[in-house]
Amino acid sequence: LAKTTQPISMDSYEGQEVNITCSHNNIATNDYITWYQQFPSQGPRFIIQGYKTKVTNEVASLFIPADRKSSTLSLPRVSLSDTAVYYCLVSGTYKYIFGTGTRLKVLA
Amino acid sequence: EAQVTQNPRYLITVTGKKLTVTCSQNMNHEYMSWYRQDPGLGLRQIYYSMNVEVTDKGDVPEGYKVSRKEKRNFPLILESPSPNQTSLYFCASSLLLAGATDTQYFGPGTRLTVL
Repeated sequence: LAKTTQPISMDSYEGQEVNITCSHNNIATNDYITWYQQFPSQGPRFIIQGYKTKVTNEVASLFIPADRKSSTLSLPRVSLSDTAVYYCLVSGTYKYIFGTGTRLKVLA
Repeated sequence: EAQVTQNPRYLITVTGKKLTVTCSQNMNHEYMSWYRQDPGLGLRQIYYSMNVEVTDKGDVPEGYKVSRKEKRNFPLILESPSPNQTSLYFCASSLLLAGATDTQYFGPGTRLTVL
């Protein structure tokens, strides 16, 4: 299973774009990259998933370079409600390793 | 409403007293999984199931049992709880794709304290 490495924490201000990078050097050919968001005392919630290049949905974008050894979650114009822990997850099987996540704090 | 439910939400028990945490989903998902979350350690997978009567170990299965007798239910059993099993537990479910799973939907969590 590919292990992921993310920054422990990040601070940002409201209205800014936030980019969180995840390193996954041992990613396998059939692995997908998925990002989850977790608020305190709640279960994680799916944000976005991708395999290569760029994926965009209504809440975020996911950038994956050609070598797929890293990925970047981009949150446009964050608000205070985006304060949460963000997890990068790499898996192509039925077992999952979430890692410790990145704690994002959005300041007014 | 599509959801994953867990019961109980909070539980305080004593060492050695068997307990079961229930998990149920109404989305007809094949895949279900249990995680525990501890400060500084993130989410760690305990067990998962790909369908009825099909279960397998995750990263931290010691001290836990599971069963999948019905598609919608996936109970987590602690036969003899110990204080190091004090944690926040999450159940999740998803569809199965070819070789992987789809988005996981998580339950609200069960906070367990073992004295």
